[in-house]
Amino acid sequence: DAKTTQPTSMDCAEGRAANLPCNHSTISGNEYVYWYRQIHSQGPQYIIHGLKNNETNEMASLIITEDRKSSTLILPHATLRDTAVYYCIVRVSNTGTASKLTFGTGTRLQVTL
Amino acid sequence: SAVISQKPSRDICQRGTSLTIQCQVDSQVTMMFWYRQQPGQSLTLIATANQGSEATYESGFVIDKFPISRPNLTFSTLTVSNMSPEDSSIYLCSVVMVSETQYFGPGTRLLVL
Repeated sequence: DAKTTQPTSMDCAEGRAANLPCNHSTISGNEYVYWYRQIHSQGPQYIIHGLKNNETNEMASLIITEDRKSSTLILPHATLRDTAVYYCIVRVSNTGTASKLTFGTGTRLQVTL
Repeated sequence: SAVISQKPSRDICQRGTSLTIQCQVDSQVTMMFWYRQQPGQSLTLIATANQGSEATYESGFVIDKFPISRPNLTFSTLTVSNMSPEDSSIYLCSVVMVSETQYFGPGTRLLVL
């Protein structure tokens, strides 16, 4: 799996959009970009994933650059409950053990009043 | 998404003893994994739990220390054997659905004294 690079930490004011960047310059054509978050003392929570098109769901939007070498997770209106460590992971589609997720250190997002 | 339960949710154990952690999913999944998260660290994959056969272990993890069973598509166990304080971690079960999205259980918090 390709490696990702994320900022160690970010702050965001409550109610504002949180934009979390991720670089994955060595991503392969069959690798998806996945985002998870881990709120303190809980298991990681799936947020969103995409291949090359931008994606949106009830939690967030995912913007992937045309060359697929970077992406941005957008939380449109951050709340205090969005304070967590956010992981950007690239992963092949379900092809057995190759589909396992490999976690980096993530970005610690702190949402403040 | 899948509903994943783990038992126990937490435990305090004496060194030299063993603990078996159970993972139950409410629907059929294609893959099951076990992860470990040491204090202040990111998640590390221990092994892939294979149905009806021996698990596939990652580098640094061995079957004698972390025996795994997966008797059917929705259930798996991880045993932490001959525990030492260094085994104090959160142990997480994870599954891949037919949709190819991977989900995580709530984790088992283990403290070894």
